[in-house]
Amino acid sequence: NAGVTQTPKFRVLKTGQSMTLLCAQDMNHEYMYWYRQDPGMGLRLIHYSVGEGTTAKGEVPDGYNVSRLKKQNFLLGLESAAPSQTSVYFCASSYSRRTGGSYEQYFGPGTRLTVT
Amino acid sequence: RKEVEQDPGPFNVPEGATVAFNCTYSNSASQSFFWYRQDCRKEPKLLMSVYSSGNEDGRFTAQLNRASQYISLLIRDSKLSDSATYLCVVNTNNNDMRFGAGTRLTVKP
Repeated sequence: NAGVTQTPKFRVLKTGQSMTLLCAQDMNHEYMYWYRQDPGMGLRLIHYSVGEGTTAKGEVPDGYNVSRLKKQNFLLGLESAAPSQTSVYFCASSYSRRTGGSYEQYFGPGTRLTVT
Repeated sequence: RKEVEQDPGPFNVPEGATVAFNCTYSNSASQSFFWYRQDCRKEPKLLMSVYSSGNEDGRFTAQLNRASQYISLLIRDSKLSDSATYLCVVNTNNNDMRFGAGTRLTVKP
């Protein structure tokens, strides 16, 4: 049981380049999330998904897109990277309240992205 | 004003000390409350949920004051391994969690 995994672990992009971050979970969780963490800011929610085929905007969605084609995977895309998107990106997953599960979110190890 | 505010610290305490962290939240409709722990360059992990009646888990005690919109975490008999950043987390109505910026704790021998 690997929990939540993220690829890649590190990446350096030039301004204007695109990339996709992959998140995978093997806990059969309905909900998945993408956060970014910046110094002094705490984690901020970018987008989240409450089930396969559905996505929703979080607190800071601009400049990012997401897709949830399979229940176990949640992709985060940057179409045209900007230096302001330099950050540590965390994916997380959880059960949904409807199933009576906990709100506890399980996090992946993070992706460190630098945009130059 | 941030939705969840914490004292950033750092808190530097000797082993065996008792240390308390505070957190305030702005949304009175918030329903669920948590403390997460994050080690340096690692992912956050749930430390404990916070219940209205207060709850204890070993050396850790969490309390919630809904009237004052305030959450606390008390660590007794601090260990070197308690050194980490402690994140206050608040959930309002769905799984949209709001995180505080964290309070850094260093426990020294």
